[in-house]
Amino acid sequence: LAKTTQPISMDSYEGQEVNITCSHNNIATNDYITWYQQFPSQGPRFIIQGYKTKVTNEVASLFIPADRKSSTLSLPRVSLSDTAVYYCLVVPSGNTGKLIFGQGTTLQVKP
Amino acid sequence: ETGVTQTPRHLVMGMTNKKSLKCEQHLGHNAMYWYKQSAKKPLELMFVYNFKEQTENNSVPSRFSPECPNSSHLFLHLHTLQPEDSALYLCASSHEGGPDYNEQFFGPGTRLTVL
Repeated sequence: LAKTTQPISMDSYEGQEVNITCSHNNIATNDYITWYQQFPSQGPRFIIQGYKTKVTNEVASLFIPADRKSSTLSLPRVSLSDTAVYYCLVVPSGNTGKLIFGQGTTLQVKP
Repeated sequence: ETGVTQTPRHLVMGMTNKKSLKCEQHLGHNAMYWYKQSAKKPLELMFVYNFKEQTENNSVPSRFSPECPNSSHLFLHLHTLQPEDSALYLCASSHEGGPDYNEQFFGPGTRLTVL
């Protein structure tokens, strides 16, 4: 499973756009890039997944360059409730269910 | 609500106690998981069950004993735990076997404190 590297922490203010970049240099051809969000004392929650280019849903956008060695999670106009830990994971297609979580990025949104 | 419930939400036990954690999923999934999350550490995968069969045991000590009687229920039996086993224990489920990645749905967790 490809290893991921992301910043340990980030600060932002309400209303700003937040971009969290993840490196995954050893990503394999069949791997998807997946992001989860975790609030304190809760289980993680899937927020977005992509293979290449750009994916957007009601929560976030995911930008993946052509070489797929990195990805950027973009959260538009964050609010205090977006304060959480964000995990970037690389997951093989036909996934066996084995998710490897790293330290994640702790996002602190300030008023 | 994710469709995955866990009970109890909080548990305090002594090192000589025996207790069980329960997880139930209402999503029709065929795979269930136990994770451990200690303070300041990443989530650690403990066990994976696929169609009620254990497919992964991530070198977990024998004082943790999982049980999966059917595809909707998962238990984690605990005995003679150590204080360092205090953590948030998370259950998750997913639908496995398709060609694409399938997201995992997590329960709220059981906060375990071992005295």
